[in-house]
Amino acid sequence: DAGVIQSPRHEVTEMGQEVTLRCKPISGHDYLFWYRQTMMRGLELLIYFNNNVPIDDSGMPEDRFSAKMPNASFSTLKIQPSEPRDSAVYFCASSMTGNYGYTFGSGTRLTVV
Amino acid sequence: AQRVTQPEKLLSVFKGAPVELKCNYSYSGSPELFWYVQYSRQRLQLLLRHISRESIKGFTADLNKGETSFHLKKPFAQEEDSAMYYCALASGTYKYIFGTGTRLKVLA
Repeated sequence: DAGVIQSPRHEVTEMGQEVTLRCKPISGHDYLFWYRQTMMRGLELLIYFNNNVPIDDSGMPEDRFSAKMPNASFSTLKIQPSEPRDSAVYFCASSMTGNYGYTFGSGTRLTVV
Repeated sequence: AQRVTQPEKLLSVFKGAPVELKCNYSYSGSPELFWYVQYSRQRLQLLLRHISRESIKGFTADLNKGETSFHLKKPFAQEEDSAMYYCALASGTYKYIFGTGTRLKVLA
């Protein structure tokens, strides 16, 4: 298994543009998490899914952020419109029932100018 | 409230010296605790689970429920241990609460 795959690795966009981040979890994992990492706030959970259903989105900063998981092998995190303060590294992670720990993707480094 | 505290933002030690990265948690139930490591510009990797009681790369961590701590230790630091270390708490769900992290620098 190639692990959790995120794309793109880097994204530079202008303020106001729509940004879509993508994640492919490990096959067989039934939990998927989106985290944001910044120097100031560390790792923040944005949203997580179980069996493709959003369970907790209380960490989503505002309505500009949305996430979907149309099937077990794909999830997206969308920011529309993007703002400079959204600049961060966005990590996707997956896990299976039983709490064996998360497997993280390589992250997407987002820069909004 | 559920919380993970890593009091040190930066810890510098010399190669060969012992290392202890501190982690304290606040949780009323039975916690599951983890240590994750992030090498420069890489993904976070699971280092240890308290439930496994294992030693990975020479690191160990013991859960002390009385002191609500889960400190990460290594007797002799190596330069390749330089990284960011995060303590995480699974609070009865699959949602983890991460500490703010400690950057370990091992000096030659």
